[in-house]
Amino acid sequence: AQSVAQPEDQVNVAEGNPLTVKCTYSVSGNPYLFWYVQYPNRGLQFLLKYITGDNLVKGSYGFEAEFNKSQTSFHLKKPSALVSDSALYFCAVRPFTDKLIFGTGTRLQVFP
Amino acid sequence: DVKVTQSSRYLVKRTGEKVFLECVQDMDHENMFWYRQDPGLGLRLIYFSYDVKMKEKGDIPEGYSVSREKKERFSLILESASTNQTSMYLCASSWGRVAEGYEQYFGPGTRLTVT
Repeated sequence: AQSVAQPEDQVNVAEGNPLTVKCTYSVSGNPYLFWYVQYPNRGLQFLLKYITGDNLVKGSYGFEAEFNKSQTSFHLKKPSALVSDSALYFCAVRPFTDKLIFGTGTRLQVFP
Repeated sequence: DVKVTQSSRYLVKRTGEKVFLECVQDMDHENMFWYRQDPGLGLRLIYFSYDVKMKEKGDIPEGYSVSREKKERFSLILESASTNQTSMYLCASSWGRVAEGYEQYFGPGTRLTVT
């Protein structure tokens, strides 16, 4: 079955430290991969996507993600976390169908 | 900036009522989507539409219907609301299809409580 997993419900990191939010997927073919962020009481905002090409993708607010085909992963990273990065992060994958499959979300908490 | 608006941020309805959730986008997007968001389940697709008067079922269409009479407006209808439809409902739109790699733009959400 096509699926995407975010293995951590919550990630805690100190401000200024690097952060990683993990995402792995299980789909056939060449997936398209997306990251979205949801701030409290807001809808989802697009951060970045991987369609093809360079495995390292840069997005909004200093975030980046690396597509790793052998490990079927698309982890979200940022070199230096900000308190304002605290939010709910969703990974999504497009398998061969025309729909997006979303992960269950990871809550990122950045402490001052 | 793309703007997707939803008619209500919070809504409380009684079991059995007919409920309308409205979504409007201002960027001439072809495609519109309705999702529900539940803790621990992520987002699940209810219905989507690639054009006016066209609709396709998503993963959880039971108990819902949709209407798209104008390109900018996509309505979600709960014919007879039930308590298990208490959820956050998110509308989204995009220029092109997911198969072409286009990202979706989301509205702020409607938190619906059915009592």
